[in-house]
Amino acid sequence: DAEITQSPRHKITETGRQVTLACHQTWNHNNMFWYRQDLGHGLRLIHYSYGVQDTNKGEVSDGYSVSRSNTEDLPLTLESAASSQTSVYFCASSVGSEAFFGQGTRLTVV
Amino acid sequence: QKEVEQNSGPLSVPEGAIASLNCTYSDRGSQSFFWYRQYSGKSPELIMFIYSNGDKEDGRFTAQLNKASQYVSLLIRDSQPSDSATYLCAGRWGGGADGLTFGKGTHLIIQP
Repeated sequence: DAEITQSPRHKITETGRQVTLACHQTWNHNNMFWYRQDLGHGLRLIHYSYGVQDTNKGEVSDGYSVSRSNTEDLPLTLESAASSQTSVYFCASSVGSEAFFGQGTRLTVV
Repeated sequence: QKEVEQNSGPLSVPEGAIASLNCTYSDRGSQSFFWYRQYSGKSPELIMFIYSNGDKEDGRFTAQLNKASQYVSLLIRDSQPSDSATYLCAGRWGGGADGLTFGKGTHLIIQP
């Protein structure tokens, strides 16, 4: 079955380190998204992509970057991790009106 | 600023009753609205979406949209304990490729 997977599921990193969260989907969807979810804020859009070589900033993009070199993958990079980036990160892909979410990555920055 | 507002709850409903979840939004330009269910520690799952004024039914779920009042609701009939979860309302301002703007979610508890 087609799916969307995120790795790692849990990560602890130190302030200032570069961190990359992986997202891989096998549906061949053009549209992919990264969200973060925090208590009191709900899900907020970080970056999104319409297709290969396309990336766009979302509501809370500062400190994050993405690249899209193929249809299947949209890795999210935290250039210099900060404690404010401790969160649960969800990747999603979509076709038409329905977005499918990965299982999430819980990132803790200490 | 595009915003989606939800009461965080918790909303407690007896088993078998109708659960009514509500959502308001700030910008009349939204094209479509979505209801997601999220169990604790899990990822959001789409329940249904609606883009036209009126009601849309799918099994025990009915979504209602009133664009003049900027109001979206989700009714769950014959509520079951398995319906206990956080329900996320989301709007999309743009085409199918654009990201969603989510509300903070309403925590629903179905009491056996």
